[in-house]
Amino acid sequence: GQQVMQIPQYQHVQEGEDFTTYCNSSTTLSNIQWYKQRPGGHPVFLIQLVKSGEVKKQKRLTFQFGEAKKNSSLHITATQTTDVGTYFCAGPDTGFQKLVFGTGTRLLVSP
Amino acid sequence: KAGVTQTPRYLIKTRGQQVTLSCSPISGHRSVSWYQQTPGQGLQFLFEYFSETQRNKGNFPGRFSGRQFSNSRSEMNVSTLELGDSALYLCASSLGTSRETQYFGPGTRLLVL
Repeated sequence: GQQVMQIPQYQHVQEGEDFTTYCNSSTTLSNIQWYKQRPGGHPVFLIQLVKSGEVKKQKRLTFQFGEAKKNSSLHITATQTTDVGTYFCAGPDTGFQKLVFGTGTRLLVSP
Repeated sequence: KAGVTQTPRYLIKTRGQQVTLSCSPISGHRSVSWYQQTPGQGLQFLFEYFSETQRNKGNFPGRFSGRQFSNSRSEMNVSTLELGDSALYLCASSLGTSRETQYFGPGTRLLVL
């Protein structure tokens, strides 16, 4: 079945450093969604990318969708302690009507 | 608009028991999906309900079942609990299909002893 992998699994940064997580799908995606889950919380939708090569920004967060629509990245500039959490990408399953979530990247930010 | 609500928030059961979890979606959302989240396996799709019908099912044993009522509220049942069923069970709603943006509830944390 379709698989969505994310790297790294875990990253620990100092506040102010940049952070990037990469998402790779085994199949072409019609769109990619990103979610953030704070410790002890639930996943919260951040953004959706649809077009090949699309780049979207939300303040310090930059999201990219690959040209082949099989990969995506999330870059955080100058991390803050509020960025702590696990970031998931998710893409629609090609065969079934459901989202397949990536393995997640856990970000820890030290002040 | 109120968000997705789930009850109970925490639950402790013993092996062999059964459990029922409840989820109320965002008003107007007709699709309700259930996910199991564990540290080792991440977010795993259980099933999706739309208009009281199960539309999709993940790779879980038949001990996991669910249903949806006419008001879109959904319940999930796990029978003959096993230790490995300990997890955070998340419900998510969306307008039309489970391929769309998912709005998650706070989850029910189940511990099986």
